Amino acid sequence: GAGVSQTPSNKVTEKGKYVELRCDPISGHTALYWYRQSLGQGPEFLIYFQGTGAADDSGLPNDRFFAVRPEGSVSTLKIQRTERGDSAVYLCASSLAGPYNEQFFGPGTRLTVL
Amino acid sequence: SQQGEEDPQALSIQEGENATMNCSYKTSINNLQWYRQNSGRGLVHLILIRSNEREKHSGRLRVTLDTSKKSSSLLITASRAADTASYFCATDSNQGGKLIFGQGTELSVKP
Repeated sequence: GAGVSQTPSNKVTEKGKYVELRCDPISGHTALYWYRQSLGQGPEFLIYFQGTGAADDSGLPNDRFFAVRPEGSVSTLKIQRTERGDSAVYLCASSLAGPYNEQFFGPGTRLTVL
Repeated sequence: SQQGEEDPQALSIQEGENATMNCSYKTSINNLQWYRQNSGRGLVHLILIRSNEREKHSGRLRVTLDTSKKSSSLLITASRAADTASYFCATDSNQGGKLIFGQGTELSVKP
């Protein structure tokens, strides 16, 4: 079956602009995660959804970052007033609910803020 | 913030040799997972070991976990050039929630 998909694969924007990044999880996966990865670093957790609600948003760096998952499937990560420091690869993952389920990652969106 | 550290940061070996990567973490965990990443994009899940397990095997992979030392190791036996990638350990402290990743080991296997 299809894996996790993310669009766009690359996004170049200017400082101060608004961007939206989309994630399509694996069908039937109730849990969805967003991570951010800078060059040479491991992924850093941003937010986790269980169904439609954000179960843990402790990783969002500030209030410019917001994510939604209105129907419990597709999720959108929204970044307002982008800054150069927001440049990174944004990774989405999904999994079945429960404590021992692996997370399946999408290919990521590479965001570049000029 | 990162949960812990991986050692070494980079490892270069010849095809056929074994590769060992280590991971240390700071807080108590529910499980620890190893992932592989090629070219800085999507991660592929390799193996999950629960906190009450000490060793797990999957094909050429062997993972150990020592919760008293808060450390884990990943052994890849009989390495191949196709094993060249970055390897990350990730800990789950919340029974199904977020993963906290280490900084990774960059493995290069020369043919």
